[in-house]
Amino acid sequence: GEDVEQSLFLSVREGDSSVINCTYTDSSSTYLYWYKQEPGAGLQLLTYIFSNMDMKQDQRLTVLLNKKDKHLSLRIADTQTGDSAIYFCAETPSSGGSYIPTFGRGTSLIVHP
Amino acid sequence: NAGVTQTPKFRVLKTGQSMTLLCAQDMNHEYMYWYRQDPGMGLRLIHYSVGEGTTAKGEVPDGYNVSRLKKQNFLLGLESAAPSQTSVYFCASSNRGRGEQFFGPGTRLTVL
Repeated sequence: GEDVEQSLFLSVREGDSSVINCTYTDSSSTYLYWYKQEPGAGLQLLTYIFSNMDMKQDQRLTVLLNKKDKHLSLRIADTQTGDSAIYFCAETPSSGGSYIPTFGRGTSLIVHP
Repeated sequence: NAGVTQTPKFRVLKTGQSMTLLCAQDMNHEYMYWYRQDPGMGLRLIHYSVGEGTTAKGEVPDGYNVSRLKKQNFLLGLESAAPSQTSVYFCASSNRGRGEQFFGPGTRLTVL
């Protein structure tokens, strides 16, 4: 079945850039997503990228997609303490008519002063 | 719009007790989902529904039942709670197409 892999932890200094990486196995993925989960809350969509795109930028966020290597990354510029959260990568397949996403286990981003 | 709401926010059960978690969405979404989140395990899909009156099993369905009698509501039932069901439960909804999910705030369940 489909699989989405992420590293579990990332620690950065405030003001630095953070890069969170994700790999996936489903070559038929249509949309790839990044969700953010703050402590005690549900997940919230941060950004998404369509599979025919290589890059998407939204203010401090840059998403890069390497379809050949099935690698997705999220770069957060000028990381702030408010960016400390768990970040989930997810993909939605396009084959079989299913829109059920597969999530990675989440990367805990810790931002220290 | 309230988005996705979950009731209750917290609950403590004794082993063997039953309960129902309620999820409601006001976005007219077709798809609804129940997940559980445990430390280090990420999100695991319990059951989902692709429309009113339909349900399907996810990754970890054992010990849970669901119903989707109305499009806006998705109920998750535990018939005989076990300590292994101690977790945080999230409901989500989405439409077809882009499929981005909208999550509720979660229910923290402890089974003693």
